[in-house]
Amino acid sequence: QKEVEQDPGPLSVPEGAIVSLNCTYSNSAFQYFMWYRQYSRKGPELLMYTYSSGNKEDGRFTAQVDKSSKYISLFIRDSQPSDSATYLCAMSPPTGKLIFGQGTTLQVKP
Amino acid sequence: NAGVMQNPRHLVRRRGQEARLRCSPMKGHSHVYWYRQLPEEGLKFMVYLQKENIIDESGMPKERFSAEFPKEGPSILRIQQVVRGDSAAYFCASSHGHPGELFFGEGSRLTVL
Repeated sequence: QKEVEQDPGPLSVPEGAIVSLNCTYSNSAFQYFMWYRQYSRKGPELLMYTYSSGNKEDGRFTAQVDKSSKYISLFIRDSQPSDSATYLCAMSPPTGKLIFGQGTTLQVKP
Repeated sequence: NAGVMQNPRHLVRRRGQEARLRCSPMKGHSHVYWYRQLPEEGLKFMVYLQKENIIDESGMPKERFSAEFPKEGPSILRIQQVVRGDSAAYFCASSHGHPGELFFGEGSRLTVL
């Protein structure tokens, strides 16, 4: 079993839709939870990070962490064609390396 | 306010040659991480370094791969006697030490012929 599981998609939605991206994990030691966005042939860009459980909102993006279920989500409201990219969840214990999910490819159609 | 700088961006090597990838962290960052990404896959951790020290190399292949982060200069990921399976994008990330704030470079894409 992988430490972090993420559905690779691809996920295709119309412009303006609400997008839900999810990851599950197995390591109870994870405390930091991140979402990165990666455009084709570019480096990952940090979108949001959350410490422990709870919600965090930044503009059209909302990150949720449910440690009891070992489940994290990223919601994108009013999705735009420019949101088309691969979204990677990542998590780590208090010290040490980030473990990434496989990434979900999102396409937002005009 | 430069971000993480990686070079070369593209590197072509023949089987058996050596590849050296360089990473200059963001200003003020003393923690460097190397990740490898194969097509259609996520990022796989390779090694975590602080200045002059290897903190975690659990993701590094046992042979042919090495990494360093000297007191002065960039971090170097070195791959000796490259094979076709080494073809991938290699990403470097840096941080102050806070695990929630890793910033990545644009990657070095290695092609082994």
